[in-house]
Amino acid sequence: EPEVTQTPSHQVTQMGQEVILRCVPISNHLYFYWYRQILGQKVEFLVSFYNNEISEKSEIFDDQFSVERPDGSNFTLKIRSTKLEDSAMYFCASSAAGEIRSEQFFGPGTRLTVL
Amino acid sequence: AQSVTQPDIHITVSEGASLELRCNYSYGATPYLFWYVQSPGQGLQLLLKYFSGDTLVQGIKGFEAEFKRSQSSFNLRKPSVHWSDAAEYFCAVGLNRDDKIIFGKGTRLHILP
Repeated sequence: EPEVTQTPSHQVTQMGQEVILRCVPISNHLYFYWYRQILGQKVEFLVSFYNNEISEKSEIFDDQFSVERPDGSNFTLKIRSTKLEDSAMYFCASSAAGEIRSEQFFGPGTRLTVL
Repeated sequence: AQSVTQPDIHITVSEGASLELRCNYSYGATPYLFWYVQSPGQGLQLLLKYFSGDTLVQGIKGFEAEFKRSQSSFNLRKPSVHWSDAAEYFCAVGLNRDDKIIFGKGTRLHILP
């Protein structure tokens, strides 16, 4: 069964450093998303991406964040200068395009720890 | 603003007992509704979804949920829980096709042996 994969599973970084979280969506999917979950809290939407541009972003997704689909398979989330409060689990998701609503398939997540 | 409410932060049930987890949403139209389960340290697994049609939907692992428009609810049920059902359960709504998903705060389910 096709699945969304994410690397690394755990990333530890120093405050102020740049990090790139990587995702490989399901191959025929065209909509891509990033969500985050701070420890003990709910999952929050960050950004959606379609047709090589951002469709929607939340207020969390400020200038320190960016997304990119550098090739036909990867979808990345970059945090330019990490802050302590960026420590969270980051989930990538993808969904198929089409006339019928498609569910989002989530990856296993990357746990980001900012020291 | 759209919101999802899960009024129970923790629920404890005995193994073999029935379960109902509550979920209410706030939205002007009928949203797309989901229940996800998250085991400790794991990702999100979709249990079931409601897009349209029959308001009683069946999911994986023996779970079902019923959409009640009049109550803006989408409660999750299971007739007999197993110890492996201990996890965090998230109710979620999607507003448009391929739109973002808004999650509730989750209900942590504990199972007594």
